[in-house]
Amino acid sequence: GENVEQHPSTLSVQEGDSAVIKCTYSDSASNYFPWYKQELGKGPQLIIDIRSNVGEKKDQRIAVTLNKTAKHFSLHITETQPEDSAVYFCAASIPNAGNMLTFGGGTRLMVKP
Amino acid sequence: KAGVTQTPRYLIKTRGQQVTLSCSPISGHRSVSWYQQTPGQGLQFLFEYFSETQRNKGNFPGRFSGRQFSNSRSEMNVSTLELGDSALYLCASSLGTSSNQPQHFGDGTRLSIL
Repeated sequence: GENVEQHPSTLSVQEGDSAVIKCTYSDSASNYFPWYKQELGKGPQLIIDIRSNVGEKKDQRIAVTLNKTAKHFSLHITETQPEDSAVYFCAASIPNAGNMLTFGGGTRLMVKP
Repeated sequence: KAGVTQTPRYLIKTRGQQVTLSCSPISGHRSVSWYQQTPGQGLQFLFEYFSETQRNKGNFPGRFSGRQFSNSRSEMNVSTLELGDSALYLCASSLGTSSNQPQHFGDGTRLSIL
């Protein structure tokens, strides 16, 4: 089955700096890659996603890149703010598996004011 | 538009009991998936329901079951509870059941087994 690895497990940055979180996946058939932000006491919130026919997608300060050949995708957050502090999860899904998502282990991002 | 609603938010049970958790999807969403989140295993897929039918199942024992009603609301049941079942149980809904549909999560039910 699909396996998703996520690095780093913790990331500390100064406010205003950029943060990058990387994920690799094992199943070359994977075609959908969402990113979620989870704050304490809340469920994961979808912040951006990318499909396999696209190499990059941006939404304000957040961007995701996908390299299908290398089977990895990354989340980029620019101009970080304290409210970006949370745990971030990457995930992947494969065709013919419905909505089943395989998640990475998570990255705890801390933005220091 | 209301988000995914899960009830109850917290539950405390003892070993051997059973429990039922409820999930109301976003209006218009017909697919509901359930996940278990623990510090050790992370987020793991339990099962997915669409049109009252289980479409996919993760690698969990038969003590974990679910169902979906005609209004797309879903319940999951865990029987003969074990200490290791302590976790945050999350429900996610999406419009359909294809693999590239955005899924939106509720805030979960935190289940503690004593």
